[in-house]
Amino acid sequence: AQKITQTQPGMFVQEKEAVTLDCTYDTSDPSYGLFWYKQPSSGEMIFLIYQGSYDQQNATEGRYSLNFQKARKSANLVISASQLGDSAMYFCAMREGRAGRRALTFGSGTRLQVQP
Amino acid sequence: DGGITQSPKYLFRKEGQNVTLSCEQNLNHDAMYWYRQDPGQGLRLIYYSQIVNDFQKGDIAEGYSVSREKKESFPLTVTSAQKNPTAFYLCASRQGGKNIQYFGAGTRLSVL
Repeated sequence: AQKITQTQPGMFVQEKEAVTLDCTYDTSDPSYGLFWYKQPSSGEMIFLIYQGSYDQQNATEGRYSLNFQKARKSANLVISASQLGDSAMYFCAMREGRAGRRALTFGSGTRLQVQP
Repeated sequence: DGGITQSPKYLFRKEGQNVTLSCEQNLNHDAMYWYRQDPGQGLRLIYYSQIVNDFQKGDIAEGYSVSREKKESFPLTVTSAQKNPTAFYLCASRQGGKNIQYFGAGTRLSVL
């Protein structure tokens, strides 16, 4: 079974509008972390935002916020006031457990295109 | 300026050849990771190291090897046993606490 599912291969948004990128996850571990990364065409993975499984409040970082719904196992990324520079691939990722390898499991990504 | 440096940016491999991808970090992170990305897909874990002189296989380690002789360096060798090496390779190091991973700019490997 997929551990991270991103169901939107591509999304379009008008400049200055908000957009939500979907992510659902699957884990039986009570301790986990959820991450969003941006990958522009240059290829580098840029960390955007983190949400811990025990965090009571949704994470926010500037124009990025994470809509964390634990019971539904969803961790959607909301980008407010989209800019042309937001056009990129966006990946949701999860880290399970407090010990061990603590590697990230990635979804297949969503390509966001911001239109002027 | 702290960060992760990967080199080269582009690399070409001939049949039967081993090639080594460099990854250096000056973030003082203990843990480092190598991921592979194929077109249109997410990243998959090749190898990781949580401390100097120790490393573990990830999910797709066959045909790859690594070393970790220094905290700052975690080179990846793509051996001739890797039959489909064409991909984008990303190195990361992990910060403690929230366990956020920070990535280098990647190396794009192609077969001649």
